[in-house]
Amino acid sequence: AQTVTQSQPEMSVQEAETVTLSCTYDTSESDYYLFWYKQPPSRQMILVIRQEAYKQQNATENRFSVNFQKAAKSFSLKISDSQLGDAAMYFCAYRSKGGAQKLVFGQGTRLTINP
Amino acid sequence: DADVTQTPRNRITKTGKRIMLECSQTKGHDRMYWYRQDPGLGLQLIYYSFDVKDINKGEISDGYSVSRQAQAKFSLSLESAIPNQTALYFCATSDPSGGTETQYFGPGTRLLVL
Repeated sequence: AQTVTQSQPEMSVQEAETVTLSCTYDTSESDYYLFWYKQPPSRQMILVIRQEAYKQQNATENRFSVNFQKAAKSFSLKISDSQLGDAAMYFCAYRSKGGAQKLVFGQGTRLTINP
Repeated sequence: DADVTQTPRNRITKTGKRIMLECSQTKGHDRMYWYRQDPGLGLQLIYYSFDVKDINKGEISDGYSVSRQAQAKFSLSLESAIPNQTALYFCATSDPSGGTETQYFGPGTRLLVL
């Protein structure tokens, strides 16, 4: 079974600075998807960014980018120019291409933005 | 209007009561999911449905049942609620033709079982 580990329960960063959230995963599959979801105090789960395992190029969405290291099974999220609205819980998630295609989530990292 | 809606948003019930959580979507997706989130943890899959006639158990289905009334509606029932079912419940949808098949979540239902 696949597992996802986020080793940083909490992180903080000064507004306008850059922060990196870590995620590692374990799988025997060669093709899969990885996601970062954001959960603000409103509880809504919001997709931040996604990565297809067979793509070498790291995904980027505006201020959000990932560092995908397939061999190391690492999938970190970098947030540049941090804004107060980025404060939230961030979850890393894995999804197989076949079967139930359920999302397997990490434990989450609570990100605080200091003004 | 939100693409995935859940009702109610908050619910308090008593042990032994039957309760239904409802999910509706306007995204036209065939696939729907119910997840549970316990405090400080990620989400775990309860049930999923790939179409109206295809319903499958997830990793924590005991104590829950579901009904897929239509493509757009997927309900989760707790037949006899117990306190350890107190959690945040999310419905999600996805489209298998969409490439990465990203799952889109509803706003969640916070359930408290006394």
